[in-house]
Amino acid sequence: SQTIHQWPATLVQPVGSPLSLECTVEGTSNPNLYWYRQAAGRGLQLLFYSIGIDQISSEVPQNLSASRPQDRQFILSSKKLLLSDSGFYLCAWSRQARTPLHFGNGTRLTVT
Amino acid sequence: DQQVKQNSPSLSVQEGRISILNCDYTNSMFDYFLWYKKYPAEGPTFLISISSIKDKNEDGRFTVFLNKSAKHLSLHIVPSQPGDSAVYFCAVLGITGNQFYFGTGTSLTVIP
Repeated sequence: SQTIHQWPATLVQPVGSPLSLECTVEGTSNPNLYWYRQAAGRGLQLLFYSIGIDQISSEVPQNLSASRPQDRQFILSSKKLLLSDSGFYLCAWSRQARTPLHFGNGTRLTVT
Repeated sequence: DQQVKQNSPSLSVQEGRISILNCDYTNSMFDYFLWYKKYPAEGPTFLISISSIKDKNEDGRFTVFLNKSAKHLSLHIVPSQPGDSAVYFCAVLGITGNQFYFGTGTSLTVIP
């Protein structure tokens, strides 16, 4: 069966510090990978998605970037965090065809 | 520009009664629709989906209805149980077939 791992679960970072959130998927190959953010009281905002290694699309221009160094690894980064980057970050995967997204347990990021 | 809208931020229902959650979308080209359930501090869990060739899909206590002409879908939960208390998100698959867009969520409370 497929599993998705996302870490860390919680993170408190000062403004201006860098960020690296990692996500890995097991039990499948060549998945579509996604990063979402849920800000307080808001819905799920699509940040990045990837249909293959080094194929990453950005939905919202902002302070964040994503990379996919391996088939089942997806990394969300920032060089300098802003207060507005606080939120609940979720990694997700899907198969290539029209099938549901499956989410990790999320990372609660607080920028102070 | 919000492509998927859930206009009711919250809903309270008595245990055993029917819960009806609603969702509207803007683009008639969308053809795959999903519902997710989310508990606090966890990732969303897939519940049920429907493609545009159908107008109803049923899975146990959960039924999703799709009205393409109105660009509206709904989730019916019957009978509602206290464990159903959570935030429910509807989602659509974007026209390129890779992006999933989510609504802002409806918080359901089932009262024992």
